[in-house]
Amino acid sequence: DAGVTQSPTHLIKTRGQQVTLRCSPKSGHDTVSWYQQALGQGPQFIFQYYEEEERQRGNFPDRFSGHQFPNYSSELNVNALLLGDSALYLCASSPEGSVREQYFGPGTRLTVT
Amino acid sequence: LAKTTQPISMDSYEGQEVNITCSHNNIATNDYITWYQQFPSQGPRFIIQGYKTKVTNEVASLFIPADRKSSTLSLPRVSLSDTAVYYCLVGDPGDTDKLIFGTGTRLQVFP
Repeated sequence: DAGVTQSPTHLIKTRGQQVTLRCSPKSGHDTVSWYQQALGQGPQFIFQYYEEEERQRGNFPDRFSGHQFPNYSSELNVNALLLGDSALYLCASSPEGSVREQYFGPGTRLTVT
Repeated sequence: LAKTTQPISMDSYEGQEVNITCSHNNIATNDYITWYQQFPSQGPRFIIQGYKTKVTNEVASLFIPADRKSSTLSLPRVSLSDTAVYYCLVGDPGDTDKLIFGTGTRLQVFP
């Protein structure tokens, strides 16, 4: 049983560009959450998807958007990249009713130059 | 906004018991306390969760006093592989399913 997978592993983008990160949840999980983790900091909640809809959102600008597909996989899109968007982006999945016990993927390391 | 406070770092030696305390003064009445472990370049990993008193699993114990304003993660007989960052989490008071990570406690285990 594969755990949470994320792609790509690493990504380098230029300021102003757009990026799409992808996540496949653990089998049997229908809720996907995205986090941004800057170096030396704890993960910061971006948003959570359930039943293809954004259910909750953290304190992130509208440049951050997402999508969940019928197979529960998810994408995180970031437009108009800023240098400050450089971070590790983590995807976590959980079964409905147990969102506190989240399974995290290895993350995508995004570098904006 | 819910907030947790933990020591920034702790040092220990192999075989010792490590206790990491977290304060969460404004935890919601219906909220749980959850602890995660994170190794470098990996996503966090769920360790344990509790509401009150004591919870124990194969990895750790969690002690929560009656007022629930703090909690203590206990790691028995740590090994070098327990070197990691440990996060204490509570939910946002407005929505306890929205997890709030702090800066965590960096545990360094020495031989």
